Amino acid sequence: AQSVTQLDSHVSVSEGTPVLLRCNYSSSYSPSLFWYVQHPNKGLQLLLKYTSAATLVKGINGFEAEFKKSETSFHLTKPSAHMSDAAEYFCVVSPTGNQFYFGTGTSLTVIP
Amino acid sequence: EAGVAQSPRYKIIEKRQSVAFWCNPISGHATLYWYQQILGQGPKLLIQFQNNGVVDDSQLPKDRFSAERLKGVDSTLKIQPAKLEDSAVYLCASSLTMNTEAFFGQGTRLTVV
Repeated sequence: AQSVTQLDSHVSVSEGTPVLLRCNYSSSYSPSLFWYVQHPNKGLQLLLKYTSAATLVKGINGFEAEFKKSETSFHLTKPSAHMSDAAEYFCVVSPTGNQFYFGTGTSLTVIP
Repeated sequence: EAGVAQSPRYKIIEKRQSVAFWCNPISGHATLYWYQQILGQGPKLLIQFQNNGVVDDSQLPKDRFSAERLKGVDSTLKIQPAKLEDSAVYLCASSLTMNTEAFFGQGTRLTVV
C-alpha cells in the first residue's frame, strides 16, 4: 500500500527564518516523490521531485528536500522564508510513476 | 507554453442538478488526470486517461460521475445528479507521459447548495 503523511497541518515561521515541512511516506516500491505548492486561487505548481538520482534535491525558489530511505522521509526545507512562500504545500508519492498520492497538505504562514 | 486550461472557474448548482467541467491539457500531453480536492484535504485522483483510454478510474463514483476524453485531447467531467458532498475544487492535470511531471490547471470550484 502507498501513503503519504504530512506531519504538520500548519506551520508558522517568521520572515527570514528557516522553513521545515515534514513528510513521511510508505510505498511497496522505490517511489518517486514530489513537493507541490498551491497559492490561494492558483493551480498546483511543482517545487521539486526525487526520482532515484541524488538524494538531496534542489527545487525552485530556494527550496530543497532530502530523501532518506532509512527514515522513509522527504522533508522540505528552505534556509530563509519569504513572505511570498505563504501557501499550501503538498507532499506526493508516486510508487510506479503513473499514479500520484497526495498528502493532506501543510499550510505555511510567514510572519513579517 | 500554454498551461492546462479549465472552465468554468466557479460553479454553483443546486443538489440533484447536473454539471460539466472542461479541461484542455498542454499540447502533446498524452496523460490527463482529474482530481477532486475537498476543502482541507489533498487532491484525490478520480480518473486518469492515457490518450483516449482510461488507465485508472477506481475512485470515480461511477453512479454519478462520468468522464471522457474524445480524440485524446480535451476532456470533460460530468456529475449527474450532484450531491452536497460533491462541493470541492476539481483539478485537471496533464503530463507528457505517465512517468513525467504533471502540470495542473487552476481548477473549477464547485459549490452544491
